[in-house]
Amino acid sequence: GAGVSQSPSNKVTEKGKDVELRCDPISGHTALYWYRQSLGQGLEFLIYFQGNSAPDKSGLPSDRFSAERTGGSVSTLTIQRTQQEDSAVYLCASSLAQGDNYGYTFGSGTRLTVV
Amino acid sequence: RKEVEQDPGPFNVPEGATVAFNCTYSNSASQSFFWYRQDCRKEPKLLMSVYSSGNEDGRFTAQLNRASQYISLLIRDSKLSDSATYLCVVTYTGGFKTIFGAGTRLFVKA
Repeated sequence: GAGVSQSPSNKVTEKGKDVELRCDPISGHTALYWYRQSLGQGLEFLIYFQGNSAPDKSGLPSDRFSAERTGGSVSTLTIQRTQQEDSAVYLCASSLAQGDNYGYTFGSGTRLTVV
Repeated sequence: RKEVEQDPGPFNVPEGATVAFNCTYSNSASQSFFWYRQDCRKEPKLLMSVYSSGNEDGRFTAQLNRASQYISLLIRDSKLSDSATYLCVVTYTGGFKTIFGAGTRLFVKA
């Protein structure tokens, strides 16, 4: 597609439930990133995929968070046993290659609310 | 000290004004620099890259000062539609590391 597509756009879930967030990057973009942004805060890096290399998971806040990228394209971010502090906008971005000299294109995000 | 620091603002300016934002970074190995714009409740969007020689895109001018480790964004003839949060972004070579600043809020008023 023309842009980065994320789904769902909004998700309300009960505390303790698992959620899956999906990101479909721009075709041909080898690098894919997940960030989250709490209300009024900056972007917090979560995880980065580059081609077939092992992902950089250094930003995942706990072992309840995991992500995969199938076939070098679509990525799924899974949050298990959600907590209220997980409420945020989860943003996915892709770029042609590793971030240097290439800007990112962000999806419109998934707004997650844990009640 | 944060790796990328920005004045959070807000900057409140009248239409037509010139406004400048600075962003400082702590790692001298920083390689690439960008300014992003984020509208309220929207995703960030790339505004412009920042090149060593400085670059201009219409009313927007970006500068890089490697010696002092800061980048700047100058907006001339501000428009109401320029109201947004401006994010400074710094990346490094040799491995993935991209740092987003927390952003500077700009309000342009009629």
